[in-house]
Amino acid sequence: EDKVVQSPLSLVVHEGDTVTLNCSYEVTNFRSLLWYKQEKKAPTFLFMLTSSGIEKKSGRLSSILDKKELFSILNITATQTGDSAVYLCATPSGSARQLTFGSGTQLTVLP
Amino acid sequence: ETGVTQTPRHLVMGMTNKKSLKCEQHLGHNAMYWYKQSAKKPLELMFVYNFKEQTENNSVPSRFSPECPNSSHLFLHLHTLQPEDSALYLCASSQAGGLDHYEQYFGPGTRLTVT
Repeated sequence: EDKVVQSPLSLVVHEGDTVTLNCSYEVTNFRSLLWYKQEKKAPTFLFMLTSSGIEKKSGRLSSILDKKELFSILNITATQTGDSAVYLCATPSGSARQLTFGSGTQLTVLP
Repeated sequence: ETGVTQTPRHLVMGMTNKKSLKCEQHLGHNAMYWYKQSAKKPLELMFVYNFKEQTENNSVPSRFSPECPNSSHLFLHLHTLQPEDSALYLCASSQAGGLDHYEQYFGPGTRLTVT
């Protein structure tokens, strides 16, 4: 059975800190790994990673994939209170349109 | 705003009621999805529609009945639900083909409470 595991489950930091969120996966036919940010309701898309070792960057957020070790990390530098959210990672599994999600990391950034 | 809207945003219903959740996407996508998000559990895929045809049904109980009249609209009809069905129901859409359909855009969800 395909599986996505995220750690830590929750994290509390202060503004300005740098955080690293982890996502490990086990899938039969790996295609890509996706990161989402969920603040109140709708998860919003952050990154999709398909190639190992290539960093994707958007402002203070960056992510990298290691296909050999089957994990990805999401880095957030100089955190702000607006970064407080649940960060989800997911990978297509089974048929091409199914996404298997991890449980998410609840990040709280204190002022 | 992600281009995917859902109504209602909140719904309280009794176990004998019948109600429907509605999702509409304005992104020109041709694949739509229903997910269930319960407290402290990962998002669970319920149904997938591709070009209005249901392609996935993840062993969802028959008290949940999806309907996709066209590529822009998706409904989830609910009847005789149980309290454990209380959750956030999220709709998503994507473009089918290649890797594009993995980038799914989510609506704000309907918070459902079954009493």
